[in-house]
Amino acid sequence: NAGVTQTPKFQVLKTGQSMTLQCAQDMNHNSMYWYRQDPGMGLRLIYYSASEGTTDKGEVPNGYNVSRLNKREFSLRLESAAPSQTSVYFCASSAQTGFGETQYFGPGTRLLVL
Amino acid sequence: DAKTTQPPSMDCAEGRAANLPCNHSTISGNEYVYWYRQIHSQGPQYIIHGLKNNETNEMASLIITEDRKSSTLILPHATLRDTAVYYCIVRARGKLIFGQGTTLQVKP
Repeated sequence: NAGVTQTPKFQVLKTGQSMTLQCAQDMNHNSMYWYRQDPGMGLRLIYYSASEGTTDKGEVPNGYNVSRLNKREFSLRLESAAPSQTSVYFCASSAQTGFGETQYFGPGTRLLVL
Repeated sequence: DAKTTQPPSMDCAEGRAANLPCNHSTISGNEYVYWYRQIHSQGPQYIIHGLKNNETNEMASLIITEDRKSSTLILPHATLRDTAVYYCIVRARGKLIFGQGTTLQVKP
């Protein structure tokens, strides 16, 4: 049982390039989330998916798109990367978005945009 | 979701109990108190959560005041591996809102 996995672990991009961050969970969870964490700061929610087929914006959605490919996978796409998107990106999942639900996090993807 | 206030940093001696406070004076009746921690460069790790009653699991205890306006996370016997940033989060449904957290330094 791997939990939440993320690929790649590290990535360097040039300004204007695009890329997709992949996230998968094997816990049969309905809800999945993407966060970013900048140095010395807490995590901020980018997008989340309460269930397969639905996605919603979080606190900082600008510059990103997401796809809930199926129940297991939730990808985050940067169409035209900017230096301000240099960050560590964490994916998380939970059984559902109801009361008292626990989110489980992946190991993160470290992204540097030059 | 209610806002939380935590001290930016705390120290604790190895083997002693670490008591981490959190204020959430605007919490509403259906909002849970969650605690996560983040060890350097890793993804956040769930510790414990509660609504009204005190809770205990294999990692920690959570004490919530009767008026629910504050809570304390207790690590009963802190070890060096407990050095991390601890986040107190209050939410009702869906997304977690992380603040700056408390950096706990466990010292030998």
